[in-house]
Amino acid sequence: EVQLVESGGGLVQPGGSLRLSCAASGFTFSNYDMHWVRLAPGKGLEWVSGIGITADSYYSGSVKGRFTVSRDNAKDSLYLELNSLRGGDTAVYYCARSTYCSRGSCDTRAFEVWGQGTVVTVSS
Amino acid sequence: EIVLTQSPGTLSLSPGERATLSCRASQSVSSNQLAWYQQKPGQAPRLLIFGASSRATDIPDRFSGSGSGTDFTLTISRLEPEDFAVYYCQQYVSSPPGGTFGGGTKLEIK
Repeated sequence: EVQLVESGGGLVQPGGSLRLSCAASGFTFSNYDMHWVRLAPGKGLEWVSGIGITADSYYSGSVKGRFTVSRDNAKDSLYLELNSLRGGDTAVYYCARSTYCSRGSCDTRAFEVWGQGTVVTVSS
Repeated sequence: EIVLTQSPGTLSLSPGERATLSCRASQSVSSNQLAWYQQKPGQAPRLLIFGASSRATDIPDRFSGSGSGTDFTLTISRLEPEDFAVYYCQQYVSSPPGGTFGGGTKLEIK
């Protein structure tokens, strides 16, 4: 079964840090672009960060310079390091799978597979 | 950066009725890389439509997507009780990897 499972959320004070993890199973993790998407209370979905199969990473303007995405293909895992956290970062954070790449070519895909989410609360 | 504007913000309909949701892009979406997702409270988003008009696996045929360029539509032909949720459109790209979302349309029971 194709599955993504997030962990690492919790309550953190403003200015604090947190590391989120996403464990993948049921597919060849190293062949896919991966993303973090968040849903803040009362708001809509927001794409946060993406990482390609060669570990090229990209961020939304609201988190650039504060968040760092990484992947460990040996562990089939995706990570998001959250630093300098603010109240506006309070949200459910989801990992998601998209584009498939193999043998030098890529099939651009939508976000087909999602985890169940992990909750990050930034509050004093 | 492409901005996606969804309308209406809230749509109130009854089961059995037809729902039409709109997504307008600030510039042309390349290769029609436009997707629609459904999200219910406490659940992860679910992919409904990709490539503007292709249904994802196990999505009922009452859901259909259409459009190209800057104007896209999600149509639910006959609403079932389980269809009341929030719907998002998204432009997805692979180089660099990203995916801008629209603000969402809440479909509520009238």
